[in-house]
Amino acid sequence: QKEVEQNSGPLSVPEGAIASLNCTYSDRGSQSFFWYRQYSGKSPELIMSIYSNGDKEDGRFTAQLNKASQYVSLLIRDSQPSDSATYLCAVNAFTTSGTYKYIFGTGTRLKVLA
Amino acid sequence: DAGVTQSPTHLIKTRGQQVTLRCSPKSGHDTVSWYQQALGQGPQFIFQYYEEEERQRGNFPDRFSGHQFPNYSSELNVNALLLGDSALYLCASSLTGTGGPYEQYFGPGTRLTVT
Repeated sequence: QKEVEQNSGPLSVPEGAIASLNCTYSDRGSQSFFWYRQYSGKSPELIMSIYSNGDKEDGRFTAQLNKASQYVSLLIRDSQPSDSATYLCAVNAFTTSGTYKYIFGTGTRLKVLA
Repeated sequence: DAGVTQSPTHLIKTRGQQVTLRCSPKSGHDTVSWYQQALGQGPQFIFQYYEEEERQRGNFPDRFSGHQFPNYSSELNVNALLLGDSALYLCASSLTGTGGPYEQYFGPGTRLTVT
């Protein structure tokens, strides 16, 4: 079982719709959760971070975390063609050596159709 | 506020050669992590440096080595390059401290092509 799993997509949504991206993780000790957006040929850009159960909203983006179900999601409202990119889910947990590690999923490709 | 910077942007090397990639972290950050990203894949963790020491290492061979300097900047060295080392190499910085872990920010990456 992969540590962080995402559907590779592509997920196609019409312009103006809500895009829903999902991510599951295996380490119950995970403490922090991040969503990155990556345009083709570019580096990942942090768009949302969430640390506690529930919803966190930032503009058109809402991150949702359910630690009991080991599930984190990202909702993009009023999707725009410029939102077309790969969205990476990342999970962070402390290790036994006292450091922490980030584990990334393979990403979900989102296509917003004009 | 200076973000994460990396150099060079692109690099072409021949099999068997050695390469050094450089990274300067975001202002105020003290931890640098390196990732390899192949086409269509998520970033794969290579190693993490904090307080000039390698704190964690991913599943990469010893051909991959690194260093962190007192000013928190870092280098990634790859020896005996293989064709399979062709990828986007990403540097990310974060702040380590009580209450962490903190958000991690990426540099623009170095595109390495091995021929």
